[in-house]
Amino acid sequence: ELKVEQNPLFLSMQEGKNYTIYCNYSTTSDRLYWYRQDPGKSLESLFVLLSNGAVKQEGRLMASLDTKARLSTLHITAAVHDLSATYFCAVDRRTSGSRLTFGEGTQLTVNP
Amino acid sequence: DAGVTQSPTHLIKTRGQHVTLRCSPISGHKSVSWYQQVLGQGPQFIFQYYEKEERGRGNFPDRFSARQFPNYSSELNVNALLLGDSALYLCASSLQKMNTEAFFGQGTRLTVV
Repeated sequence: ELKVEQNPLFLSMQEGKNYTIYCNYSTTSDRLYWYRQDPGKSLESLFVLLSNGAVKQEGRLMASLDTKARLSTLHITAAVHDLSATYFCAVDRRTSGSRLTFGEGTQLTVNP
Repeated sequence: DAGVTQSPTHLIKTRGQHVTLRCSPISGHKSVSWYQQVLGQGPQFIFQYYEKEERGRGNFPDRFSARQFPNYSSELNVNALLLGDSALYLCASSLQKMNTEAFFGQGTRLTVV
């Protein structure tokens, strides 16, 4: 059974600081996603990582994938309050179809 | 272009009742998947439908069922509602059965009282 673990689950940080969220998964994956979710809202796609060594950046967020270590990271640079949200990683494993397995989520709070 | 649309956005049901949730995928997308997100947790996979056939089922009881129509829209049905069915139900559409990105709708917030 595929398991996806994120850490930390809760992260409180000051504006301007850097931090990394980690996502470990237990079996081979075809692709890895990072999503953002604001309270009461749906999932906003941030990144799709397809291959080992993939790195993608958008604004203050950068995601990377190491398929050998079964690890993805979401790095936050110089955090701002607008980044406060819950971040999920999700793994899509090729079976007979597509089924995303999500981590528990990291609730990020950026304080002034 | 319209994204994934779900209806209704919110509803309240009583224990033991039945509910139907609806999802319209992005135009041209043939795959629809359903997820349940209980408050404070990550979404859990319920079903995937592709070309009107069930292609995957998560660990949910038989009270949960779904179908996909010729226009690729989908319904999720839940019978004999329990308090624990209260959740955000998310629909995701993708172009093909696998190896294509999933796009999520805004969700339906179901409250069972």
